[in-house]
Amino acid sequence: NAGVTQTPKFQVLKTGQSMTLQCAQDMNHNSMYWYRQDPGMGLRLIYYSASEGTTDKGEVPNGYNVSRLNKREFSLRLESAAPSQTSVYFCASSESRQHNQPQHFGDGTRLSIL
Amino acid sequence: AQKVTQAQTEISVVEKEDVTLDCVYETRDTTYYLFWYKQPPSGELVFLIRRNSFDEQNEISGRYSWNFQKSTSSFNFTITASQVVDSAVYFCALKGSNYQLIWGAGTKLIIKP
Repeated sequence: NAGVTQTPKFQVLKTGQSMTLQCAQDMNHNSMYWYRQDPGMGLRLIYYSASEGTTDKGEVPNGYNVSRLNKREFSLRLESAAPSQTSVYFCASSESRQHNQPQHFGDGTRLSIL
Repeated sequence: AQKVTQAQTEISVVEKEDVTLDCVYETRDTTYYLFWYKQPPSGELVFLIRRNSFDEQNEISGRYSWNFQKSTSSFNFTITASQVVDSAVYFCALKGSNYQLIWGAGTKLIIKP
């Protein structure tokens, strides 16, 4: 069972470079999410997709864009990377957005911006 | 506004001790869910439990137990007879009417052999 797969696992970028983080899930889930995790803080929601064809901003969307390519895939793009975007990025999916649906996470992408 | 507070930044205990991780939440919603996740040193996030706002029954799963008290807005997590493999960062999270998960900052649990 692959669950949620994120690529790459590690990446180093220079300031101003662009990058797309890939996420795919094989659980037939409708909803997908992108979070960032910074030291000493809980996860913060960047963007989410409640269902195929829809995307919405979360708590910290500035500097990011997303694409829900199909039901399985949800990518996160940094158009012009900044050092403040150095973080660990997690993709997650859930059956739906409803209250009781737990989110299942990928293993994370550790991104460093120099 | 919704908020989750995990006041214990780090806890260190010796193996076989019992340990309780505190979680206090704030919300004006009447319907909400609370979650606990575990993040071991390898970095992945593992779902442990969910509890809805209408169910205040405590839950036990092996060495893990959860105590939900609406009167104090708390959802505490106890590990009985801790083991080294329990070492991880544990997150409490809240999902309310906006369907977004609000996370606490996490508690790092260190179990010493």
